[in-house]
Amino acid sequence: AQSVTQLGSHLSVSEGALVLLRCNYSSSVPPYLFWYVQYPNQGLQLLLKYTTGATLVKGINGFEAEFKKSETSFHLTKPSAHMSDAAEYFCAVTRMDSSYKLIFGSGTRLLVRP
Amino acid sequence: DTAVSQTPKYLVTQMGNDKSIKCEQNLGHDTMYWYKQDSKKFLKIMFSYNNKELIINETVPNRFSPKSPDKAHLNLHINSLELGDSAVYFCASSQDSTSGVGTQYFGPGTRLLVL
Repeated sequence: AQSVTQLGSHLSVSEGALVLLRCNYSSSVPPYLFWYVQYPNQGLQLLLKYTTGATLVKGINGFEAEFKKSETSFHLTKPSAHMSDAAEYFCAVTRMDSSYKLIFGSGTRLLVRP
Repeated sequence: DTAVSQTPKYLVTQMGNDKSIKCEQNLGHDTMYWYKQDSKKFLKIMFSYNNKELIINETVPNRFSPKSPDKAHLNLHINSLELGDSAVYFCASSQDSTSGVGTQYFGPGTRLLVL
């Protein structure tokens, strides 16, 4: 069975500081990995995804993530936080059976201090 | 144009009632999904349809019945509502359900409160 673990339910950073949101996965086969963002009272929006190829993936709004197979990780980073980045961030992995459904982590709420 | 829309946005109802949530996508996608997000923000898939055919049916009480009249619509009917059904329900769609790489596009959510 596949699963996703996000370390830390909350992360508070100052505006301009580095953002690092951690995600580890377990999978018996190569996974497809995703990061979604949920702004308050909205649906989820895809930030980036890794399927195959280059392990460093760039997404929208200056975010990027690196797939590290040896560490079973897919951490999300942004060099400089903006106030508008305050949101809930979800890491997800597809389940490698015929249904390919997304399995989500528990989410990390990012707070950005002025 | 809204890509994935849901109605209603808010739904407050009494225990024991029957209610429906509607979802429509104008992206031309073949696959649609229903997710439930609980009070701790945990998201879990409930159902998925591909071209009107049910392909994912998680361990969901049979009080929940999805219906897909065409591939652009996926509705969720809930019978005999219980307090534990209070949650945010998200509809999503994707072009491809078989390769695993397709991006899922989410609707704005329906906030259901059962009193």
